[in-house]
Amino acid sequence: TQLLEQSPQFLSIQEGENLTVYCNSSSVFSSLQWYRQEPGEGPVLLVTVVTGGEVKKLKRLTFQFGDARKDSSLHITAAQPGDTGLYLCAINAGNNRKLIWGLGTSLAVNP
Amino acid sequence: GAGVSQSPSNKVTEKGKDVELRCDPISGHTALYWYRQSLGQGLEFLIYFQGNSAPDKSGLPSDRFSAERTGGSVSTLTIQRTQQEDSAVYLCASSLTGAAYGYTFGSGTRLTVV
Repeated sequence: TQLLEQSPQFLSIQEGENLTVYCNSSSVFSSLQWYRQEPGEGPVLLVTVVTGGEVKKLKRLTFQFGDARKDSSLHITAAQPGDTGLYLCAINAGNNRKLIWGLGTSLAVNP
Repeated sequence: GAGVSQSPSNKVTEKGKDVELRCDPISGHTALYWYRQSLGQGLEFLIYFQGNSAPDKSGLPSDRFSAERTGGSVSTLTIQRTQQEDSAVYLCASSLTGAAYGYTFGSGTRLTVV
């Protein structure tokens, strides 16, 4: 069974700080997706990374996909209260049927 | 529609009653997923529909749970004889063809069994 671990589990920071959260798999995967979930809502897709070593930027968010295709990171610069939420990573194990989900990092950005 | 629509948004039911949860996926999306999310827990896969193929029911926790998808569009998740441990948020997602393109989720149905 392929495991997907996210760290840290919880993170509470002040507005303006930078942060990085991580997603690690026990084995290689074909692509990875990052989602953000706000209270009372479903997860919303932020980005999909498919190429080892790939870096994608979405405003203040930078997503990296490890060269070995087993890990990914999400870096947020100058965090804002609107960044508060649960950040989930998910991998497509290769059969394009179901995603495998991590448990998420719960981020709180305090004003 | 523009997004995935789920109804009801909240449901409180008595233990032992049956409940039906509805999901309207994005038009044209062939893949539809049901997940369950409990407080402090990750997304628990329940069932997956892809086009006209037989559904993947491998995540259904017991035979009290069933789901159908009519006409390749609307889906209904039915829980019979509800138990308190069924209390959770039930999320529906749809995708254009499968996992590779990402999911679009609905806002979920919060089910409380009292």
